[in-house]
Formats: sequence, structure tokens, C-alpha cells
Amino acid sequence: DVKVTQSSRYLVKRTGEKVFLECVQDMDHENMFWYRQDPGLGLRLIYFSYDVKMKEKGDIPEGYSVSREKKERFSLILESASTNQTSMYLCASRLGGSGLFFGEGSRLTVL
Amino acid sequence: GENVEQHPSTLSVQEGDSAVIKCTYSDSASNYFPWYKQELGKRPQLIIDIRSNVGEKKDQRIAVTLNKTAKHFSLHITETQPEDSAVYFCAPQYNFNKFYFGSGTKLNVKP
Repeated sequence: DVKVTQSSRYLVKRTGEKVFLECVQDMDHENMFWYRQDPGLGLRLIYFSYDVKMKEKGDIPEGYSVSREKKERFSLILESASTNQTSMYLCASRLGGSGLFFGEGSRLTVL
Repeated sequence: GENVEQHPSTLSVQEGDSAVIKCTYSDSASNYFPWYKQELGKRPQLIIDIRSNVGEKKDQRIAVTLNKTAKHFSLHITETQPEDSAVYFCAPQYNFNKFYFGSGTKLNVKP
């Protein structure tokens, strides 16, 4: 069974802080993703990575960056958190043409 | 980008009845069509998917049908049970590793 683990379930940060969200998958999937989920807006893609050190912008990359130094780990970075980045962040992985396997989510509140 | 509409936004059925959720999309190049189920407070999980060379796929009480000409695909749940209560998302793939999620359908199965 695929396991996608997000390091923090709940975070509270202050405006301007740097925030790291970590995600690890244990199934050797080449593709990893970061989405944010907001009520009424569904899931929106922030960034994805198809290989180590490779990344592609999704639909809403502004204000975010990512890092993939190892195949199993994909990090989302908020360089300077803002209140409009308060959201649920979902990491996912994918093998080839399969569907997405999601982590449990990280609920971020920026005050 | 891809325009995805999901209907209805809420659906309430009696236990044992059938439920149908429809997803329309705009990109004729889409070739992979998954459905996800998200229970309250939990991660989205892939429940069924279909590829563009197939018109219908069934897995026990759930099925997905695809009409590529009309650019829509539907989720069918028969003999609904209270544990089917959740939010369901369609997410047609419109580009390499890019899925456009619908805004979700909240299904309530009344016992």
C-alpha cells in the first residue's frame, strides 16, 4: 500500500515567516505534487516534480517554491507566509499513468 | 486552461438508492478520467478511473461512464450506503501530470 506522509498536520505561523512543508512517499514514485484545497475551489496544483531536482509550475505557483533533492521527498516552501496562504496543503505522488495517492494534509494557518 | 464543471454540487439520497454525478470538461485531448472520494477530515482517495479508449468501467457498486464526443464522464453509485457519504471530485487529466479538479459534489446518504 502506498504511503504518503506529510510531516505536520497542523501549523500556525505568523505573516512573513518562512514555512517548510515536508512530504515523503515510500513507493518509489517518480512524480510528486503539491496541491492546496480551499472550500468551494476544489484542489489547485501549486507545483509538481517528475524527477529528482526537476520541477514544474502548476496553476498557482506564486508565493511558493519547491525542492526535490531525493526521489522520496518533496518539500513546499513559503518564503514569506501571507494570510491568503492559509489553507489545507495536500501532497500526492503518482506512478506513471496511475491516479494520485494523497497524504493526510497539512492545515496551515497564517496569522 | 481546462474548464471542468461538476454537477450537482450537493446530492442527498436515501440508503439503497442510486447516485449519479456528472463531470464535463473542455479539453478534447484529455485521456484519463479519475474520480476521488474525500471523507470528512480525510485525504482524497482514488475510487475509480477510466481511460479514453474505454466507454465504461465497473467496480462492485461503483461505475464510471465516459462520453468523449460530448466531453463528459459520470460516476454511478448503486445501492448507496451511509459510508458512501463524502465529497466526490472528478479530475480529468489535461496535460502531462496536470489534473483539473472539479469543485466537488457532497453526497449525503440518509439511513
